[in-house]
Formats: sequence, structure tokens, C-alpha cells
Amino acid sequence: SQQGEEDPQALSIQEGENATMNCSYKTSINNLQWYRQNSGRGLVHLILIRSNEREKHSGRLRVTLDTSKKSSSLLITASRAADTASYFCATASTSGTYKYIFGTGTRLKVLA
Amino acid sequence: DAGVIQSPRHEVTEMGQEVTLRCKPISGHDYLFWYRQTMMRGLELLIYFNNNVPIDDSGMPEDRFSAKMPNASFSTLKIQPSEPRDSAVYFCASSLGGGRTTGDTQYFGPGTRLTVL
Repeated sequence: SQQGEEDPQALSIQEGENATMNCSYKTSINNLQWYRQNSGRGLVHLILIRSNEREKHSGRLRVTLDTSKKSSSLLITASRAADTASYFCATASTSGTYKYIFGTGTRLKVLA
Repeated sequence: DAGVIQSPRHEVTEMGQEVTLRCKPISGHDYLFWYRQTMMRGLELLIYFNNNVPIDDSGMPEDRFSAKMPNASFSTLKIQPSEPRDSAVYFCASSLGGGRTTGDTQYFGPGTRLTVL
């Protein structure tokens, strides 16, 4: 079964608003990453947070990680139309072969 | 660097035909991944290589799928015979190999959109 499940599945907001997406996973992890995918394109890495970190910032992005709840959130502040894309979390389990499992994604639409 | 290069970008074929997808990873990257993306199943890891050696192929759906990495700069994913349910976007990605603790940034290619009629 998939490691990560994002919610909501789809989100529509006005430009300038904040967007929050959540990711839940099932097993212990070493790190968690967030990726963005524009329509018809490959995924692009946004940010990585390690299991011993609770929060990380990169520009307008803020990621939190709660390992006790096995969940992470991605906050995009002051959203822009160009942020319209699908967002995925990816996790690497602490056991088994080293690989990343991607979640189901959140489709974000930012209305101008 | 040109990034991860995939070819072809689009492929339309008929059921039963052999399909070969190609990938050139970023120079110097130790890991190469093949993913398949569909609306129903999302993004699935099919197989990955480390230093040209297949490490985990547990995601390869059937014996009809095979992947090779003859050298550090080239990999192929072959489907023979192809079926309509193989229609999907296939992505190749590569990473430098930071390992479990450090973490890896994966760099994705633009994908190959495969349609099997």
C-alpha cells in the first residue's frame, strides 16, 4: 500500500491566500520530501525535512513534520497563480530497501 | 546539465507490440528510478538502480516489463508485449545518492506518455 496519503485531494483558493496540504504516512521514516508537478511535466523537488526536524522553511514554503502522528504539512503562503500544480509527499522508510514512496497528491488551483 | 532526458516523449502503439522507453540520467548520479503514473494508481515506483545494478524491482508489474542499465548514462524500460492497461506516463528520475539519513533529491525527466491501443 502507498506510504503517503495527501489531503485534501483538491484545493482551490484565491491568489494571495495561503494553501495548506497534509500528508500522512504509515511506517517510520528517515526523511520526507515534498514535490510539485505542473500539468504535463515531471516532478520537481521542493523541500526535504529529516525525521529529527519539526519545521523547515524555504521562501514561501513551510513544512512541518510530526513523527508521533506520522504526518506532515506543506504551507504555501501568499499563493500565486503560478503555484497551480499537484503537490506530492514522498517518504523513505527506515527499513527495507531504500526507496521513496509517493503519496496520492493534492491538486492545487490558485485563482487569479 | 540538460537534466534527465527521456525519449520518446510520446508513444502510441498497438496492443502486442514491443515498446522501449529510454532514459539518460544526470551525469554523476548514482541512482536511477523508473516510475509509472496513472490517474487510478498515482505514481508507482517500478524499479531502481544503484551504480547500474538493479536493487529493487518489486514494483515491476509483470514479466512483460524489463529494465536495463548497461552503463551509467543510459537505461531502458521495455514492455513486451504491450497491453492497453500499460497506457500511462512513465518517468525516469535520478539522484546523487544521499542515502537514507541524508536523503536524496530526485530529478525527474519530462516523462514518456504511452498509449497502447
